[in-house]
Amino acid sequence: ETGVTQSPTHLIKTRGQQVTLRCSSQSGHNTVSWYQQALGQGPQFIFQYYREEENGRGNFPPRFSGLQFPNYSSELNVNALELDDSALYLCASSLDGTSGGPLHFGNGTRLTVT
Amino acid sequence: EDQVTQSPEALRLQEGESSSLNCSYTVSGLRGLFWYRQDPGKGPEFLFTLYSAGEEKEKERLKATLTKKESFLHITAPKPEDSATYLCAVDRGSTLGRLYFGRGTQLTVWP
Repeated sequence: ETGVTQSPTHLIKTRGQQVTLRCSSQSGHNTVSWYQQALGQGPQFIFQYYREEENGRGNFPPRFSGLQFPNYSSELNVNALELDDSALYLCASSLDGTSGGPLHFGNGTRLTVT
Repeated sequence: EDQVTQSPEALRLQEGESSSLNCSYTVSGLRGLFWYRQDPGKGPEFLFTLYSAGEEKEKERLKATLTKKESFLHITAPKPEDSATYLCAVDRGSTLGRLYFGRGTQLTVWP
């Protein structure tokens, strides 16, 4: 069991730029979810992908988009970065998005927008 | 609208001093309640899932319980390595994979 890995660990971007964050899910886990965690807050749901299709979305604008690939990897893309996008971005995988089972999180990417 | 509220926000305990963390929720149709531990700079680490009122789960010094409106995480004889932020999350079953998290309780255990 390899766990969930995310890259990069830290990133600094300028307002208005675009960023791509990457995640490698646990082998066999066909569901990946992305969360945003601001300092001192609990994680907030961005969206979920199940078998390479978006399967649910939280209250985030369309400039947050994602992709899931057949090899258990996925991406979170954010366009037109704003200062409030500064946060820890967490990827989580689960065996089956329909089962209600636990999510297994990576250690996140710390994004700073200046 | 807060659906998950954790208390206290911060808790300092002396090593060996048992206590409880609270998670109250206002969602209907609960599909599951989850407890996670988060260390600084790390992602949340899964601890427990509770599905129905009356259910209890234990792991080492931790015990989680669930009622119809709240969950408790009991910490017995804590050690300094138990220091972390403990997060509670609920699955409403409305959007697959979506958990609603509380803000967490920051626990510090000093020797």
